[in-house]
Amino acid sequence: NAGVIQTPRHKVTGKGQEATLWCEPISGHSAVFWYRQTIVQGLEFLTYFRNQAPIDDSGMPKERFSAQMPNQSHSTLKIQSTQPQDSAVYLCASSLDGQGGAEQFFGPGTRLTVL
Amino acid sequence: GDSVTQTEGLVTVTEGLPVKLNCTYQTTYLTIAFFWYVQYLNEAPQVLLKSSTDNKRTEHQGFHATLHKSSSSFHLQKSSAQLSDSALYYCALRNNAGAKLTFGGGTRLTVRP
Repeated sequence: NAGVIQTPRHKVTGKGQEATLWCEPISGHSAVFWYRQTIVQGLEFLTYFRNQAPIDDSGMPKERFSAQMPNQSHSTLKIQSTQPQDSAVYLCASSLDGQGGAEQFFGPGTRLTVL
Repeated sequence: GDSVTQTEGLVTVTEGLPVKLNCTYQTTYLTIAFFWYVQYLNEAPQVLLKSSTDNKRTEHQGFHATLHKSSSSFHLQKSSAQLSDSALYYCALRNNAGAKLTFGGGTRLTVRP
């Protein structure tokens, strides 16, 4: 089992450019989560899919951020017109069903740096 | 909404001595699950402990924690810290209304020789 795979591991963009981050959940897991990690804010929830359907996007900034899960094997987080304050580590996690006490397994993250 | 508070951002302890990382929470939900995640340098967060049973001690890798709903706490403890315990520790809560985790601010534990 390869665990949750995230690509790229590091991404550097210029202010105003677009960034697309990829996540491949653990095979057989139906729930996929996105979190953002910064030194100041710690770990913050962004959005969550179950069986590819968006369930909760309460943590997503209303502008410039979007997430999709076109099939059960990958999810993308897209940030349009990136700003320096978007610099963070973006973590993807998956769990068996997103219910009850199901543990969330995290990927290594994508470190986004916006210059 | 839910909130989780870790009062110490940095904790330094000498190897072999006990360590306690504090975690308190606020939630309006009755059914909740608690987790302690540990993140080593340049690695992904991973579950260290989890619990949803009031007043039951949970143990793993020498660490232990007990969920106390009466005091809204889930403190992490270890009787003898090891150098390899140096890492970032997060306390997290999930309520029964959804699947997302609400994390505390994290505590960076440094164990010195």
